[in-house]
Amino acid sequence: AQSVTQLDSQVPVFEEAPVELRCNYSSSVSVYLFWYVQYPNQGLQLLLKYLSGSTLVKGINGFEAEFNKSQTSFHLRKPSVHISDTAEYFCAVTYSWANQAGTALIFGKGTTLSVSS
Amino acid sequence: GAVVSQHPSRVICKSGTSVKIECRSLDFQATTMFWYRQFPKQSLMLMATSNEGSKATYEQGVEKDKFLINHASLTLSTLTVTSAHPEDSSFYICSVKSPAYEQYFGPGTRLTVT
Repeated sequence: AQSVTQLDSQVPVFEEAPVELRCNYSSSVSVYLFWYVQYPNQGLQLLLKYLSGSTLVKGINGFEAEFNKSQTSFHLRKPSVHISDTAEYFCAVTYSWANQAGTALIFGKGTTLSVSS
Repeated sequence: GAVVSQHPSRVICKSGTSVKIECRSLDFQATTMFWYRQFPKQSLMLMATSNEGSKATYEQGVEKDKFLINHASLTLSTLTVTSAHPEDSSFYICSVKSPAYEQYFGPGTRLTVT
């Protein structure tokens, strides 16, 4: 069975500092990978996704992530964070083979990013 | 991406009553919707997969008779929590699956059972 591990439950950083949120997945088959952000009492917003092609994926709000198949990782990065980036971040995975239209996302436990001035 | 709404955003009900939560896909026809449950400071746990025109598929450990799901049209899925108890208090989130494998999430419904 697939699983997603977010190695850090909480990441405190200062404003304008770079940040990396780590995500590893375990799967013996090809997968699609996602990062979502959740602000308090809200649903999830897609930051970026990797389906195929370039392993470096750029998303919204200046975030990017790199798919590393050999290390089964999909770490999220931002070179300079803002106070407004404070939120919960979830890494998620789903199967990439065809006809899996009903396959749900499997989420990691989340990482709380706290940006302070 | 698709716009997904949920109603109500917050609901407080008494123990033993039933509550219905609606999930609407406003600009996208969704044959598949998902219902998640999220406890404070925790991740999303998939409850069930809702398929238009057929029965929902529930995850292991989720009581189908307690959490009734109806997906009667391509734009609406409902989750009814029957005979709610305080332990059912949670944040319920629905999502719509796109052909591109990503999911679009609703804003969530905060259920509090007193």
